[in-house]
Amino acid sequence: QVQVVQSGAEVTSPGASVKVSCKASGYTFTASLMHWVRQAPGQGLEWVGRINADSGGTIYAQRFQGRVTMTRDTSINTAYMELHRLTSDDTAVYYCARGSGEIDYWGQGTLVIVSS
Amino acid sequence: QAGLTQPPSVSKDLRQTATLTCTGDSSNVGNEGAAWLQQRQGHPPKLLSCRNNSRPSEISERFSASRSGNTASLTITGLQPEDEADYYCATWDSSLSSWVFGGGTKLTVL
Repeated sequence: QVQVVQSGAEVTSPGASVKVSCKASGYTFTASLMHWVRQAPGQGLEWVGRINADSGGTIYAQRFQGRVTMTRDTSINTAYMELHRLTSDDTAVYYCARGSGEIDYWGQGTLVIVSS
Repeated sequence: QAGLTQPPSVSKDLRQTATLTCTGDSSNVGNEGAAWLQQRQGHPPKLLSCRNNSRPSEISERFSASRSGNTASLTITGLQPEDEADYYCATWDSSLSSWVFGGGTKLTVL
């Protein structure tokens, strides 16, 4: 069965960077996209961007351009999202989710707390 | 950043029918349709319906989606206590070159 398993919670400081990983199994990793979506406490869902797991091509939401980097390692079926120059507004649960036409299978989420 | 519009909350009685709406424009819902996601408290979102209104095989027939123009709808029949959750619509926006989400509707089953 399709599974997407994310790395654990992170506590970091303003101005720092955070890198979240997302390991996929149960399907052909390079046949799909991997999306990243975040959810601030008590708020709705916000699309951060996506990576084509085959080509490595990325599309980022405009508000994150210049501040986010998405990569993947096809040898271990893992995608990564790194967010730079963090502020307290970046405190959120970050989800990765497979994109196979739809955004269908979601990871369990990674809580990122930005605090001084 | 433009998004999709959903009513913040809907309340319905047990075993009744709820219809949730999602309004966009011709660059998103009107062109692509909308997917629907269910998010129970403390859990990740779960895909209920695809942009073409089809359901993943594991999703109950009580959930059905439709679209008219720039508005998508999710109908849930025979409401159960476990249907109490937040529901989000989502789709690709061709003018933004971005996926967009609705703000979510909190469904309360009375």
